[in-house]
Amino acid sequence: KNEVEQSPQNLTAQEGEFITINCSYSVGISALHWLQQHPGGGIVSLFMLSSGKKKHGRLIATINIQEKHSSLHITASHPRDSAVYICAVKQGGNKLVFGAGTILRVKS
Amino acid sequence: NAGVTQTPKFRVLKTGQSMTLLCAQDMNHEYMYWYRQDPGMGLRLIHYSVGEGTTAKGEVPDGYNVSRLKKQNFLLGLESAAPSQTSVYFCASSRAWFRGANEAFFGQGTRLTVV
Repeated sequence: KNEVEQSPQNLTAQEGEFITINCSYSVGISALHWLQQHPGGGIVSLFMLSSGKKKHGRLIATINIQEKHSSLHITASHPRDSAVYICAVKQGGNKLVFGAGTILRVKS
Repeated sequence: NAGVTQTPKFRVLKTGQSMTLLCAQDMNHEYMYWYRQDPGMGLRLIHYSVGEGTTAKGEVPDGYNVSRLKKQNFLLGLESAAPSQTSVYFCASSRAWFRGANEAFFGQGTRLTVV
């Protein structure tokens, strides 16, 4: 079992829908990252969280440390949001463990 | 544009051949990393460097070597390629080790196929 599990693995949504991607982890962490990987391959960092909630534009990330769970929400989704969304957790000793990613496709 | 540049973007190798992947960053970052990404698995750290002249093993270092002779460049070498090394390789750099408000900047990836 991976230390970082993402769900769903694949998600297809209609433009305008509210989208939620989940990340659960089984180890103690000091921070959690959400990354976006575009079809061209490039990866960009979206958020780094250690508690609570962060918002950037239409993207919202939340984390519940007690439940070892984080969610990434996309409001008013758009085809340009189509990408792979990756959760990564930072453990002690500077180890970074990545989830397998959620493939999101937003149809117009 | 500032960022992380990987070359080449695509490569097909025959089993046993060698090659070097180049990663260059112009942000004066101390930390650089090489990851591989395989279907159904998260990114896995191959090797990393915390500064010029230093390298260290990550999770999956076997079959790879690295060098950081200049701060801006981090090279990943495959001395004798194997089909198990077919993957997409990502280089990343950061000012510090993914902590605080620092971001990690990733390259565009290199798709390597070993036949």
